[in-house]
Amino acid sequence: DTEVTQTPKHLVMGMTNKKSLKCEQHMGHRAMYWYKQKAKKPPELMFVYSYEKLSINESVPSRFSPECPNSSLLNLHLHALQPEDSALYLCASAQWSGIGEQFFGPGTRLTVL
Amino acid sequence: QKEVEQNSGPLSVPEGAIASLNCTYSDRVSQSFFWYRQYSGKSPELIMSIYSNGDKEDGRFTAQLNKASQYVSLLIRDSQPSDSATYLCAVKNDYGGSQGNLIFGKGTKLSVKP
Repeated sequence: DTEVTQTPKHLVMGMTNKKSLKCEQHMGHRAMYWYKQKAKKPPELMFVYSYEKLSINESVPSRFSPECPNSSLLNLHLHALQPEDSALYLCASAQWSGIGEQFFGPGTRLTVL
Repeated sequence: QKEVEQNSGPLSVPEGAIASLNCTYSDRVSQSFFWYRQYSGKSPELIMSIYSNGDKEDGRFTAQLNKASQYVSLLIRDSQPSDSATYLCAVKNDYGGSQGNLIFGKGTKLSVKP
């Protein structure tokens, strides 16, 4: 299995909702990433997990809460989002955090109403 | 501030031509460079990695790296309409904050006309 999967593909939520995005990889990679991408912009790093520990939080608002239950899974919990948080949320993985080759999942298209 | 610069395009080439995509980076100590292809509405796909000066070829793609000039490029030979996408140049951050992470350029949109 050489791919990163993400669910759901699309998500519409209100500003008071709580939802979660899920990411899974079975490549034995020990680094996993969350990115946010707005239209016509490059991916913007949010969080990095290395060996299941949060290693980087790029000053992301607390309404985004990451979780890494095990080496294959990565979640992003969403609460009290704003309309400007609407974007494509991408998960990526790499063999380890010092290597640059990152492989992206298909993304979750999030719309906040 | 470490930067990766790309022309935003669009770059338009006829089918069968060579498409040349360019990227410059600000951090002289960078050692690892990547090209990602992103179709509209899809996620980035890694197509080339390059670590040493010179050329690296993979099928119709050739990546070129010149560390002295802080320049990396991607050539696409025999361009096809299916190559129409945004191409993101990425450079690995090798020291300091966010070490090991990628710094992305803004991407160049390529359009291949039949």
